[in-house]
Amino acid sequence: GAVVSQHPSRVICKSGTSVKIECRSLDFQATTMFWYRQFPKQSLMLMATSNEGSKATYEQGVEKDKFLINHASLTLSTLTVTSAHPEDSSFYICSARGTGKGTEAFFGQGTRLTVV
Amino acid sequence: GEDVEQSLFLSVREGDSSVINCTYTDSSSTYLYWYKQEPGAGLQLLTYIFSNMDMKQDQRLTVLLNKKDKHLSLRIADTQTGDSAIYFCAEIVNTPLVFGKGTRLSVIA
Repeated sequence: GAVVSQHPSRVICKSGTSVKIECRSLDFQATTMFWYRQFPKQSLMLMATSNEGSKATYEQGVEKDKFLINHASLTLSTLTVTSAHPEDSSFYICSARGTGKGTEAFFGQGTRLTVV
Repeated sequence: GEDVEQSLFLSVREGDSSVINCTYTDSSSTYLYWYKQEPGAGLQLLTYIFSNMDMKQDQRLTVLLNKKDKHLSLRIADTQTGDSAIYFCAEIVNTPLVFGKGTRLSVIA
């Protein structure tokens, strides 16, 4: 199946700093990428949807100035958590879908962010 | 709006069959998915079923879809300890997937 690579898998940062998470589709062109957040023992919450070359669409309650999403190419989307706080500590997962792959969504391995 | 419900926990003995159930509300779902999440890891697509199908079998996995009742199930035959994980069902109505809260499957040796 298609491969989506997410990097880094784990990151620890200090409060107030920014962290960038990358999501790459390795063998297909991802026209749409999704960013999810997962709190411990909870389900995935969709944060935003991004289409290549367009501004991301954020879900209600997600601060777009805090969670910056860039989808500049068909194989790369980035999520930048700006001015991170301990409450931003979470598991972030991206998924990607390409037009040539039907409606299947392929997921990255996830990034465990810990803000200290 | 869309809503997907799952039971939160399931415990089975090794070698038995596991059945994980899911209900959804939106009848216009086109695809329904089952994902597996192992501790600390991302999601692994296990299988999916198109909404005009009733059943799909893939090795030890059997997916049953009752569209009238909006009920989806995943049966794992001969459950192994390596099957212990959280299983999410998800539906697609528009572009993003809508997930259930996940069912934690514990396999007892």
